[in-house]
Amino acid sequence: GAVVSQHPSWVICKSGTSVKIECRSLDFQATTMFWYRQFPKQSLMLMATSNEGSKATYEQGVEKDKFLINHASLTLSTLTVTSAHPEDSSFYICSAQNLGVTYEQYFGPGTRLTVT
Amino acid sequence: DAKTTQPPSMDCAEGRAANLPCNHSTISGNEYVYWYRQIHSQGPQYIIHGLKNNETNEMASLIITEDRKSSTLILPHATLRDTAVYYCIVRESFGNEKLTFGTGTRLTIIP
Repeated sequence: GAVVSQHPSWVICKSGTSVKIECRSLDFQATTMFWYRQFPKQSLMLMATSNEGSKATYEQGVEKDKFLINHASLTLSTLTVTSAHPEDSSFYICSAQNLGVTYEQYFGPGTRLTVT
Repeated sequence: DAKTTQPPSMDCAEGRAANLPCNHSTISGNEYVYWYRQIHSQGPQYIIHGLKNNETNEMASLIITEDRKSSTLILPHATLRDTAVYYCIVRESFGNEKLTFGTGTRLTIIP
């Protein structure tokens, strides 16, 4: 099956710094990538949808200037949490989809961000 | 998106079939039923999806009622590794459509 990786798997950063999370589709081309956030004991919440080569579409309530998403190639999307604060501590998960082949979304293993 | 309703938790004995129900009474004609599961601290894993016919793959079977208002995911021989949160999701249509996750069912397989 399709494999999606994320890097790093976990990160600890200080309040006020920025953190970049990478999402890669390893064996297929991802025309669309999605970024989710999951707080403890809660479900996944979609943050934004990105299509390769175009600007991301953010869900209501998600600050686009704080969560910068870049989808510059068909195999890589990045999420940068700028000026991180403790309330940004969460589990960030990406998923990837190739519209030309399948409609399933394949998820990465997630990145646990802790802001101190 | 049509909403789904799932029981918050279920237990199943190891080796038995696990039957996870899902209600989606407002589903529309072009909406598919998708099932994903999430093992603790991992990303969700695709299991199966269907429109109106029953579907089976190497992981599970999906039974959709004739009126499409409910479905059941069946894990035929549950193992301890099947312990996870299972999400039933109705997706708007083909294409570039987002998945909206509800609260899911926490399935615990008991030895």
